[in-house]
Formats: sequence, structure tokens, C-alpha cells
Amino acid sequence: NAGVMQNPRHLVRRRGQEARLRCSPMKGHSHVYWYRQLPEEGLKFMVYLQKENIIDESGMPKERFSAEFPKEGPSILRIQQVVRGDSAAYFCASSPPMQGVNTEAFFGQGTRLTVV
Amino acid sequence: GDSVTQMEGPVTLSEEAFLTINCTYTATGYPSLFWYVQYPGEGLQLLLKATKADDKGSNKGFEATYRKETTSFHLEKGSVQVSDSAVYFCALRSNFGNEKLTFGTGTRLTIIP
Repeated sequence: NAGVMQNPRHLVRRRGQEARLRCSPMKGHSHVYWYRQLPEEGLKFMVYLQKENIIDESGMPKERFSAEFPKEGPSILRIQQVVRGDSAAYFCASSPPMQGVNTEAFFGQGTRLTVV
Repeated sequence: GDSVTQMEGPVTLSEEAFLTINCTYTATGYPSLFWYVQYPGEGLQLLLKATKADDKGSNKGFEATYRKETTSFHLEKGSVQVSDSAVYFCALRSNFGNEKLTFGTGTRLTIIP
């Protein structure tokens, strides 16, 4: 059973370009979370999605950022018109449908976005 | 809102030394508590967890006890190894139906041979 797969691992974009980050959850997992890690900081929650639904986007910047998790295919985090401050590591985590105190979220290896 | 306060690093220890990384939290109700480890260039791996008061999580020689009275979840290991060098994150998850994790800022640990 493959783990959470994120691609690309490294992404370089010029200011003003679009960045698309992909996350394939573990097999059987229908819950996906995106987190951002700024240099020398902890992870900050961005968005929580289930298949075809955004459950909680309270951590998403209001502009330029969007996320989706379609019925088929990976979850996509999209950043339009990137700025230098978007440079960070973006981590995806997934968890299974049944939620409870023992539910564990599994993390991918992250995408490191550099805006030049 | 929920928050996690973690001992700031970096922490440098000699091999076989005793390790403590402090973590305290603020949350409504009874959250689940976690320690994650991040090795260089990698994602986060769950190290251990505790889901209710007085639970002790343990893995790979690391331990942490869920202390509701002091709202703490300190990470300890009796004898660290060079391979333990990593960044350690304390985190909580509210059990009020929102499954997101709230993380501390992380503690970078370096073990010297």
C-alpha cells in the first residue's frame, strides 16, 4: 500500500506564475488535508477536503489559493500569481473515512515551492 | 482557539544523554495529542500519540504522558542516538468533530556522537 504521494517534490515558479501541487491520498482514504510550513516554522493548517467537498478552508488565504479533491484523481492545491512569500513546503495528509479518536493522518513528503 | 506551545530549539545533546522536549497546549474539551518527527528533507511521521488523560504514548524509546492537570505532553527519551537527530513537532487534534491538527513550532534536535 503506497503512502501519500505528492508531486512534484520541488517546484520553482517565477513571480506571477501559477503553481499546481498534487496529492494522491493513501488507498481507501477519502479525507485530505493541506498544510503549509514556512522556513523554521511549524505546520499551519490550510484546508480540509473530502471527495468533491471542502469541509474546512479556514486556513486558506482568501485570494489566489484554491483546492479541490475531485471524485477521480488527486487533490490539487492551486496558487495563482505566486509571490515570494508563497515559498514554503506544502504538505498533504490523508486519513480514512471513519473518524474517531484513534484516526491517524498520514503525511506525504511535501512539495517545496520556491518563487523566484 | 486551539494552540500548542513547544520548547524552542535548537537542542544539542551528546549521544546517550536524556532528552526532554516540553509541550503544553490550550484546547477546549479533551483533545488527542501527538508527537511527529521530521527527518531532513522528509515529511512528517507519527512518533506517538495519546487520546485521553493519563494515557502514555510510546515508540522507539520515546515516551509522552497526557497530563490534563498541567495541559502538557512532554516528550522524553532516556538515551538518545545520533539517528534521533530530527525536528520534533507536538500537535493536538480537537475531538469536537474538526479533524485538523494544530502544531507547535517544532524543536530541532541534534545528537553529537
